[in-house]
Amino acid sequence: QSALTQPASVSGSPGQSITISCSGTSSDVGGYNYVSWYQQHPGKAPKLMIYGVSKRPSGVSNRFSGSKSGNTASLTISGLQAEDEADYYCSSYTSYSTVVFGGGTKLTVL
Amino acid sequence: QVQLVQSGAEVKKPGASVKVSCKTSGYTFTDYYMHWVRQAPGQGLEWMGWINPNSGVTNYAEKFQGRVTLTRDTSISTAYMELNRLRSDDTSVYYCAREPKYNWNYGEFDYWGQGTLVTVSS
Repeated sequence: QSALTQPASVSGSPGQSITISCSGTSSDVGGYNYVSWYQQHPGKAPKLMIYGVSKRPSGVSNRFSGSKSGNTASLTISGLQAEDEADYYCSSYTSYSTVVFGGGTKLTVL
Repeated sequence: QVQLVQSGAEVKKPGASVKVSCKTSGYTFTDYYMHWVRQAPGQGLEWMGWINPNSGVTNYAEKFQGRVTLTRDTSISTAYMELNRLRSDDTSVYYCAREPKYNWNYGEFDYWGQGTLVTVSS
């Protein structure tokens, strides 16, 4: 099972919007609506930001949104803030009843 | 409140085994699937496997088949991850992570342990 494909880095200025893509196959992202996104600050455990492609857990800002088209999922962060600077990982359930992560994207807030 | 508290850092020699524990509280342990994820220094997240704490049924990533064993002790609400035949590239932070719903197993992790650093070095 190959890792999902994410851009290594993205950047944006405060107040702007950015989108991180996550490409997989029909055996994972394209086949199931079980794509999640995690935010990870240095030295911390990951935090669930989006699950079920587009659902937000309680307490997560509505500036974070998720979507999917075919085999590619996306995370959009609007109104960028300094505290959004972190690593972001997508993950997906797969047809083997396993989980696969993306390689991670480093978000820099300029 | 839900808590997942992992055991402390370990230093192991190549070829040895390590067993990491994840003690849970604040919910019914047997109702929620538990997964294990690792992260090498400066690298991304890597999924290792899951265990159904109720039945003990497990499923592992192909990469770790034959080398990892997930177990649980329901009497103390604790999950374990044992990795054998350690190599230097197994040096990572190992996390336990819980699914968010009763009897749900779709790789969505709402609670994570604090992580356990396992260092493999001769």
